[in-house]
Amino acid sequence: RKEVEQDPGPFNVPEGATVAFNCTYSNSASQSFFWYRQDCRKEPKLLMSVYSSGNEDGRFTAQLNRASQYISLLIRDSKLSDSATYLCVVPDSWGKLQFGAGTQVVVTP
Amino acid sequence: EPEVTQTPSHQVTQMGQEVILRCVPISNHLYFYWYRQILGQKVEFLVSFYNNEISEKSEIFDDQFSVERPDGSNFTLKIRSTKLEDSAMYFCASRDKYEQYFGPGTRLTVT
Repeated sequence: RKEVEQDPGPFNVPEGATVAFNCTYSNSASQSFFWYRQDCRKEPKLLMSVYSSGNEDGRFTAQLNRASQYISLLIRDSKLSDSATYLCVVPDSWGKLQFGAGTQVVVTP
Repeated sequence: EPEVTQTPSHQVTQMGQEVILRCVPISNHLYFYWYRQILGQKVEFLVSFYNNEISEKSEIFDDQFSVERPDGSNFTLKIRSTKLEDSAMYFCASRDKYEQYFGPGTRLTVT
């Protein structure tokens, strides 16, 4: 099983709609999780941190299900500028980040 | 807002040549990392650096790679003899207590 697994998409989303996608992780001891956003050929940028059951920041909500070992990201009221690849990231105890391959989201007018 | 910077933004080199990629981490951060991303693939960990020494390295980080913090600000990745498969984006990151911040990357093209 891959350490961090994501549905690659693409998720084609009409502007204003809601989209959600999951990430599964293999290390049950993981304590913290991150969602990063990556635009084409750019660096990953931190979107949200998840340390407990979930986190909400404006239109973005992340939820953690430790029993099933998955994290979800939900984007409400999608904007054209939300088009990007969303990376699920799990750090190990030394801080090394393990990246998923990313979920591509395309918001259409 | 403080940020991680990297130079050059794009480096083209011939196979077998040595390259040095440079990074300036955020000034009060103590943990530094190099990652790479081959086009179309996921971001992969290369090496972590703390207290002036390597704390962890991946299988990718073989004897051709080395890292150095030559002064109080720069953090460099050297590839001694580049191969075609070293072509990738190389990202430097630095970390405060919780979160890693990435530089804009250096695109390395080996011909």
